[in-house]
Amino acid sequence: GAGVSQTPSNKVTEKGKYVELRCDPISGHTALYWYRQSLGQGPEFLIYFQGTGAADDSGLPNDRFFAVRPEGSVSTLKIQRTERGDSAVYLCASSLGGQNTGELFFGEGSRLTVL
Amino acid sequence: GENVEQHPSTLSVQEGDSAVIKCTYSDSASNYFPWYKQELGKRPQLIIDIRSNVGEKKDQRIAVTLNKTAKHFSLHITETQPEDSAVYFCAANKAAGNKLTFGGGTRVLVKP
Repeated sequence: GAGVSQTPSNKVTEKGKYVELRCDPISGHTALYWYRQSLGQGPEFLIYFQGTGAADDSGLPNDRFFAVRPEGSVSTLKIQRTERGDSAVYLCASSLGGQNTGELFFGEGSRLTVL
Repeated sequence: GENVEQHPSTLSVQEGDSAVIKCTYSDSASNYFPWYKQELGKRPQLIIDIRSNVGEKKDQRIAVTLNKTAKHFSLHITETQPEDSAVYFCAANKAAGNKLTFGGGTRVLVKP
């Protein structure tokens, strides 16, 4: 498709379970970002990839969160031992990348609910 | 790291009136300031951005102003219409960092 695609759109899981969220960026975009958005708040930065490497993972809240982008395209955000506080919308975005920041194209998000 | 504060958190205006949203940032090295609009249940979308080498930028009914000395920037929407109702987010970034820091958002309601 033409836009950023995220799956699943909704995920309900139980506390302690493992979750994977997938992001398929716009073709040709080398930069990929994960943000987390809680209700009524702005997107909170988690991690940024330039190509296959995580250029900045300073926003990951703890070691239960991990993200990969093995071939420089699709990315997976992995959350281990989920907690109720992890409930949020996880937004993925992509951009052309490079030295100058440009427009971020967001996906529709994956809404995670931890019971 | 960068910290972006946004005010007000909610804004109600009559159709046809103007709306102004203000943001401050903390990192004087930031030089890219975009604004995103997020309709209910939808993805954030860029509506306008400004870089630190200009003080003002306009695009039809929306404009953004930047004061680097005071480290604040504002979004102005004129002749508001019901379809302007949404949550607006400001953000700031350093060109080489590529990590946008967002404000907390302003929920704008345009009353017909």
